[in-house]
Amino acid sequence: QKEVEQNSGPLSVPEGAIASLNCTYSDRGSQSFFWYRQYSGKSPELIMSIYSNGDKEDGRFTAQLNKASQYVSLLIRDSQPSDSATYLCAVNAKGNSGYALNFGKGTSLLVTP
Amino acid sequence: EAGVAQSPRYKIIEKRQSVAFWCNPISGHATLYWYQQILGQGPKLLIQFQNNGVVDDSQLPKDRFSAERLKGVDSTLKIQPAKLEDSAVYLCASSARWGIYNEQFFGPGTRLTVL
Repeated sequence: QKEVEQNSGPLSVPEGAIASLNCTYSDRGSQSFFWYRQYSGKSPELIMSIYSNGDKEDGRFTAQLNKASQYVSLLIRDSQPSDSATYLCAVNAKGNSGYALNFGKGTSLLVTP
Repeated sequence: EAGVAQSPRYKIIEKRQSVAFWCNPISGHATLYWYQQILGQGPKLLIQFQNNGVVDDSQLPKDRFSAERLKGVDSTLKIQPAKLEDSAVYLCASSARWGIYNEQFFGPGTRLTVL
């Protein structure tokens, strides 16, 4: 069973602070990693993808990957109330029939003004 | 660029009835996915198509769920007969590439309630 684990939260941070969201995965063969943002009642929206160890920055978002530790994180700098949502970690790995995304249950983020 | 389209957006049915969902992927995207998302959970893959061929349907409950993608574009997911536990949001996603670089883009979803 390929597991993707996330703390369900809620993670509460004040406006302007850095929010740190973490994800661990069990399949060492995983090769690509994605972060999705999901507002209540809406569908997931892709915000970051990362394929290599290290950091990848896009605007206020930084994804960090450590394959040895089987750990991927998302940092949101200068958090805004509009960032309040559930953040889903998705891990891609090759199975018997092809590549499939396994999603965590998501971490709920609340940014307070 | 138009996103993934899905219909209907909402559906309420009685248990043992049948229901069908439709998806139109982003133009040019060869790979199409159907996911089921139960409240409080992450999306769970039901079936994956590459063009009009099934790549992975290992988590599709084949006794009641079926899906097809004729002509490699639109897709339909059907449930017959529905059970109470099928109440969920059914998400369709598409990607331009297959393999590890398969960034997936989701449609708005269909919220199914089975009474």
